[in-house]
Amino acid sequence: KAGVTQTPRYLIKTRGQQVTLSCSPISGHRSVSWYQQTPGQGLQFLFEYFSETQRNKGNFPGRFSGRQFSNSRSEMNVSTLELGDSALYLCASSFAGAAPPEQYFGPGTRLTVT
Amino acid sequence: GENVEQHPSTLSVQEGDSAVIKCTYSDSASNYFPWYKQELGKRPQLIIDIRSNVGEKKDQRIAVTLNKTAKHFSLHITETQPEDSAVYFCAASESGANSKLTFGKGITLSVRP
Repeated sequence: KAGVTQTPRYLIKTRGQQVTLSCSPISGHRSVSWYQQTPGQGLQFLFEYFSETQRNKGNFPGRFSGRQFSNSRSEMNVSTLELGDSALYLCASSFAGAAPPEQYFGPGTRLTVT
Repeated sequence: GENVEQHPSTLSVQEGDSAVIKCTYSDSASNYFPWYKQELGKRPQLIIDIRSNVGEKKDQRIAVTLNKTAKHFSLHITETQPEDSAVYFCAASESGANSKLTFGKGITLSVRP
């Protein structure tokens, strides 16, 4: 099976702009979770989507949003970018049959905000 | 919410020695504890996990132990090799189909050849 893929891999944006990141899960996986990774805060949970519905949400401002499509692909959007949003954004997919399920990560999107 | 602490933050061992990385968690409702290995510039890779109905799990040179009473779990790597050098993250997840993982800050393991 192909692994989790994310596009784009690298992105440079300016403060105030918005950005959309994409994640394609492993075939058959219906749950997609998003995490932000920074040197200072480590890996922090943003949100999880399952069957096109947000099932869990972390402690991030409303500028961070996401959605999931019927083919389980997911996008996350960050509006009004701030310098502090510079991070590696990782998505992870899981087969939502086991409870809790094993999660497999994509390669991430490196976002730099200038 | 859950809080996962990982210590030490760095660990250096001689090739062939064993390495032990410890994590503590705060939420007694957590029942799933995965370990991820992240090499420089690469994605976190699931290397082993344990569920709360099991006390120990082994997979070749790696093992994980769980002490629910003390709320801590540990990763054991035996016969370390230079390719084991990486950042290791522990995580915890609550019961149910919840996919929210709370991660520790990570430990950098260096294996000296």
